[in-house]
Amino acid sequence: EAGVAQSPRYKIIEKRQSVAFWCNPISGHATLYWYQQILGQGPKLLIQFQNNGVVDDSQLPKDRFSAERLKGVDSTLKIQPAKLEDSAVYLCASSTLWRATSYEQYFGPGTRLTVT
Amino acid sequence: AQSVAQPEDQVNVAEGNPLTVKCTYSVSGNPYLFWYVQYPNRGLQFLLKYITGDNLVKGSYGFEAEFNKSQTSFHLKKPSALVSDSALYFCAVRDKAGNNRKLIWGLGTSLAVNP
Repeated sequence: EAGVAQSPRYKIIEKRQSVAFWCNPISGHATLYWYQQILGQGPKLLIQFQNNGVVDDSQLPKDRFSAERLKGVDSTLKIQPAKLEDSAVYLCASSTLWRATSYEQYFGPGTRLTVT
Repeated sequence: AQSVAQPEDQVNVAEGNPLTVKCTYSVSGNPYLFWYVQYPNRGLQFLLKYITGDNLVKGSYGFEAEFNKSQTSFHLKKPSALVSDSALYFCAVRDKAGNNRKLIWGLGTSLAVNP
């Protein structure tokens, strides 16, 4: 089965510019996650979707970050405007069930964002 | 507060020798524990998990991990390391109790296997 797809793989922008990332989860996976991974740190959950509804966005900086998952499949994460501290790898992951907390998450390759 | 600790930033081991990557946790209730691996410029890959049952769990690529409730540890092990095992390893825990179903991640341990 195909894995989690993300694009672009790399992006370089200047501060105050906007950027969008795209994620296509594994087919049939109802739960989708966006993480931010800063160099030298573990992943930080930004937002979690169950189908097209938001389950958890408590760590999403809502003044500049937004995400949507139309039709409960693909998702986009947007940053507007970007700050230098947003430089990180943005990881998308999906899993089968959100109530069964034992189910592991499957990750995409990530998008490496550099803000200059 | 819930937390996961990986006390070693880096582990170096010779190829063919056994390896151990340490993880300790602090959560309320009984935890679900996970190990993930991240190769350079790649996303995280699931290795193994402990949910319940046998304290020794086996996972991908010959890795195994031992759950120790009294020591609140979940160390990752492999009997014979390969150069290709060189990567960044993350321990994560999900609290089964309450409504907090987030994954709590360690900071990662860089494993270098020397030929």
